[in-house]
Amino acid sequence: QVQLEESGGGVVQPGRSLTLSCVASGFGFSSHAMNWVRQAPGKGLEWVASIWYDGTNKKYGDSVKGRFTISRDNSKNTLHLQMNSLRAEDTALYYCARVASKLGAFDYWGQGTLVTVSS
Amino acid sequence: EIVLTQSPATLSLSPGERATLSCRASQSISTYLAWYQQKPGQAPRLLIYDASNRATGIPARFSGSGSGTDFTLTISSLEPEDFAVYYCQQRERTFGQGTKVGIK
Repeated sequence: QVQLEESGGGVVQPGRSLTLSCVASGFGFSSHAMNWVRQAPGKGLEWVASIWYDGTNKKYGDSVKGRFTISRDNSKNTLHLQMNSLRAEDTALYYCARVASKLGAFDYWGQGTLVTVSS
Repeated sequence: EIVLTQSPATLSLSPGERATLSCRASQSISTYLAWYQQKPGQAPRLLIYDASNRATGIPARFSGSGSGTDFTLTISSLEPEDFAVYYCQQRERTFGQGTKVGIK
């Protein structure tokens, strides 16, 4: 079955960096675009970044543009999110999500990894 | 940037009642809209894609409609497991702020 497992979250000081990973299994990872979505405590969903199936065409939400970088390693079925210059407002549960082929929507989600930015 | 506005923020209903949730886009997005359900402590679940198509395994009581800027998610008869927060999303991008469907 399709599984997405995020890791790499933790407590980090403002201005520092952190890299999240999402390991995929149970499907052809290299055939699907992937995304990161975050959810601040008690708040709604915020789209963070997307990457095409082949690692090209990367897009970012305005609040993270220039600070976060999405990447993937199709040989390891792994999605990454490098987060630099972290701010308190980046505190959130970070989900990776698969784009359903031809549906334009996210059909599978991981359980998330929590990032807390605090001094 | 396209902004999605959901209304109402909260809906209080009883099991068996009909729920009607709205999502309005700041500019036309054709039918490029999805709906998700999220329960506490869980990841979101895809309900509807392309405005009106049910995702795999989604019960027929969930239906979506609309195009352009105005969209609706309807739950024809609420089951106990339907009380949750619902989000709309413009094709693989912006989410609305959510509508919480609570028990009256």
